[in-house]
Amino acid sequence: RKEVEQDPGPFNVPEGATVAFNCTYSNSASQSFFWYRQDCRKEPKLLMSVYSSGNEDGRFTAQLNRASQYISLLIRDSKLSDSATYLCVVSRGYNKLIFGAGTRLAVHP
Amino acid sequence: ETGVTQSPTHLIKTRGQQVTLRCSSQSGHNTVSWYQQALGQGPQFIFQYYREEENGRGNFPPRFSGLQFPNYSSELNVNALELDDSALYLCASSSTTGKRINEQFFGPGTRLTVL
Repeated sequence: RKEVEQDPGPFNVPEGATVAFNCTYSNSASQSFFWYRQDCRKEPKLLMSVYSSGNEDGRFTAQLNRASQYISLLIRDSKLSDSATYLCVVSRGYNKLIFGAGTRLAVHP
Repeated sequence: ETGVTQSPTHLIKTRGQQVTLRCSSQSGHNTVSWYQQALGQGPQFIFQYYREEENGRGNFPPRFSGLQFPNYSSELNVNALELDDSALYLCASSSTTGKRINEQFFGPGTRLTVL
């Protein structure tokens, strides 16, 4: 079983839609949580950190449930430019990032 | 742009050969981490270097080795290449200050193909 599990998708949504991605992690010692975005054949880029209290950055909202070991990302008012793979990431100790396999999002006109 | 550079961008090798990949970290960063990303998968942690010493290693065999130089740039060496080593190799630079976990900035990667 992988340490970080994500639905691979793809999620095909029209512009303006709201879409939610979920992720579970198996190691309760995980300390930090992130969502990264990766465009096709490019490097991953940090989208946002995830906190237990939940946090929002514009159209993006992230939630963490430590008891259920569950992380979510909500994207409102989807844009064509949101099309990418979204990677759920956890970390413990010395900056080692543990990535899920990613969820593909395709936003169409 | 993150300021993290990697070379070469693409590389083709044959089984059994050796390869060296290079990474220049962002100015002011003292930590470099290396990741392997196979097609359709998320990046997998290989190891991290901090102040020229290995500071953590993932589940990779000893034929994966590395170095960090005084200017914080880094090399990843892979010996006795296998077909399964074909992947995108990413380096990420960050600053380590005490126990604080700081954001890792990824370079564009080196795409290695082993034939």
